[in-house]
Amino acid sequence: GAVVSQHPSWVICKSGTSVKIECRSLDFQATTMFWYRQFPKQSLMLMATSNEGSKATYEQGVEKDKFLINHASLTLSTLTVTSAHPEDSSFYICSARAGGPLEQYFGPGTRLTVT
Amino acid sequence: GQNIDQPTEMTATEGAIVQINCTYQTSGFNGLFWYQQHAGEAPTFLSYNVLDGLEEKGRFSSFLSRSKGYSYLLLKELQMKDSASYLCAVRGGYSTLTFGKGTMLLVSP
Repeated sequence: GAVVSQHPSWVICKSGTSVKIECRSLDFQATTMFWYRQFPKQSLMLMATSNEGSKATYEQGVEKDKFLINHASLTLSTLTVTSAHPEDSSFYICSARAGGPLEQYFGPGTRLTVT
Repeated sequence: GQNIDQPTEMTATEGAIVQINCTYQTSGFNGLFWYQQHAGEAPTFLSYNVLDGLEEKGRFSSFLSRSKGYSYLLLKELQMKDSASYLCAVRGGYSTLTFGKGTMLLVSP
């Protein structure tokens, strides 16, 4: 089956620094990639949707200048959390869609802890 | 807007059957998904319903009634490894997935 990887799997950073998370579709080309955030015992909240070569579409309440998304190719999207704060500590999951309605695959997630 | 409701927690015994309900109100509907998520891991796809009725896949079945905005996931012959969070997700009019808060299922011996 299709595989989506994320790197790093976990990261600890200091408040005020920036962190980049990579999402790659390993064996397929992703027309669309999604970034979700999940707080403990909460559901996945969609942050943004990105299509290769175009600007990401952010969900209401998500600061586009704080969460920078770059979808440089059909197999790679990056999420950069800028000037991270402790409240940004969360589980970030990317998802990649290949084509049909069932073809949306999730990465293993990245645990971000901001101290 | 989107609103998806499912119970927060459920408990069941190994070997039993459990039904996890999900109700939704969404702007547009292009299918309902069920995912399983173990703690600290990404969700894994279980089932997809876009038409009314029951979809069966091994020990797992999923039902959809679009007129009632209702779905359930049925798990049979429960195993300890089925202890996880089960997420109901709806694909709305803009083709993005909206997730419910998840139902934490605890299977006991």
